[in-house]
Amino acid sequence: DAMVIQNPRYQVTQFGKPVTLSCSQTLNHNVMYWYQQKSSQAPKLLFHYYDKDFNNEADTPDNFQSRRPNTSFCFLDIRSPGLGDAAMYLCATSSKGQLGDTQYFGPGTRLTVL
Amino acid sequence: AQSVTQLGSHVSVSEGALVLLRCNYSSSVPPYLFWYVQYPNQGLQLLLKYTSAATLVKGINGFEAEFKKSETSFHLTKPSAHMSDAAEYFCAVSGGSNYKLTFGKGTLLTVNP
Repeated sequence: DAMVIQNPRYQVTQFGKPVTLSCSQTLNHNVMYWYQQKSSQAPKLLFHYYDKDFNNEADTPDNFQSRRPNTSFCFLDIRSPGLGDAAMYLCATSSKGQLGDTQYFGPGTRLTVL
Repeated sequence: AQSVTQLGSHVSVSEGALVLLRCNYSSSVPPYLFWYVQYPNQGLQLLLKYTSAATLVKGINGFEAEFKKSETSFHLTKPSAHMSDAAEYFCAVSGGSNYKLTFGKGTLLTVNP
C-alpha cells in the first residue's frame, strides 16, 4: 500500500543535542509537510516543500530546519532541542499543491527531550 | 484568510448514541473542508472531504458531514457510536489562494459503555 512512513516512532534526545526525524513516502507526491503537535492541540505547520522549493512558516523558529534530498524523503532537523520542543512531529504529503488537495499523514514521531 | 471553530473540546456519548461534532468555518471563498480523526499516538486519518460536489458527504467508519453554506457549518455525525470511535477529531479548511490546511483545535470524543 502507498503510504507515508516516519522513523523512528519514538525519539528521546537530550537538551541541546541535535536530532533528525525522517519521513518517506511511496505516494510520489509533490508536496511534503512537517507539523508540530503538542498535547491536546491542533497540528501546527512548521514548513513544507513544494517539490524542491522550501516554504517556511513565518513563526517557525530557526532551530528547526528541513531537507528534502529527493521526492521520497524529507528530514526534520532540530539543531538544539529545548524542553519546549517535546511534541509529536507529523509528516504529511499532498499530490499537487493545489487548492483542495488532501493531505496524507504519517504515524508521527513522538519526541522526548530530557 | 480562513479559520475553523470546533465547538466543544470534549464530547462524551454512550455507545449506540448519536455522535455530533460541530465545526464552523470562515472563508472568503468557497472552501474545501475536511474532517480528520486521530487515535492516540497516531497520525491523522482522513474521514471525509467536502469539495462542493455534494452537500452531504459520506466518509469512512459510518461518519458523514453536511455542508451548510447559510450556517457556515460542516458538522460531523454518526448515527450510532462505537467504542472504537473514541479519538480526537479535527476539522480543517483550505481556500482562497492557499492550499495549506487550517485546523480547528480538535474535539476529543469519549464513548462510554
